[in-house]
Amino acid sequence: SQKIEQNSEALNIQEGKTATLTCNYTNYSPAYLQWYRQDPGRGPVFLLLIRENEKEKRKERLKVTFDTTLKQSLFHITASQPADSATYLCALENGGYNKLIFGAGTRLAVHP
Amino acid sequence: GAGVSQSPSNKVTEKGKDVELRCDPISGHTALYWYRQSLGQGLEFLIYFQGNSAPDKSGLPSDRFSAERTGGSVSTLTIQRTQQEDSAVYLCASSREVSNTGELFFGEGSRLTVL
Repeated sequence: SQKIEQNSEALNIQEGKTATLTCNYTNYSPAYLQWYRQDPGRGPVFLLLIRENEKEKRKERLKVTFDTTLKQSLFHITASQPADSATYLCALENGGYNKLIFGAGTRLAVHP
Repeated sequence: GAGVSQSPSNKVTEKGKDVELRCDPISGHTALYWYRQSLGQGLEFLIYFQGNSAPDKSGLPSDRFSAERTGGSVSTLTIQRTQQEDSAVYLCASSREVSNTGELFFGEGSRLTVL
């Protein structure tokens, strides 16, 4: 069956360090993958999209990689700040029309 | 409006009652989605609307759930004879058009509690 896995345990890091979050999937062949940020009590907010033919995408302090052979995406936040603390969700396109399937998310806590 | 608007933000109901949740998407967005998020869980796809095409209802968990989109804009998600397991946050999202690039713009959600 199809599955998206993100670390269920919270990731705790020190301010200034690089946070790395993992998204693994099985039995999908997505044309693209997206990452969203979700704060408590709020709806998810889009961060980055990476296509299947792209290895890496950057936006300010964010970097996303996409390895279709490993079926894995890594999401990096460099020079992390306490304001980066949130839950980060990966989402895969499934169905050819923006039908996104979401992982359960990983909670990131950045400590001063 | 400037963003996706959902109402009510909170709804407490008794088991067996019907509820309606409303979503007003961003003006001009042709695609509209409903997702459900249970506590500590990921988003569960429920239903998708695109223009005049037949909606993709493949995620609706039971026939107690239905959704309409009137005039290609506002959508209503209806849950009949609510059960306690229906308690969750119901999130609506819209996007500009069907393409292989579209990000989803989410509302703040409607938190449903079934007693």
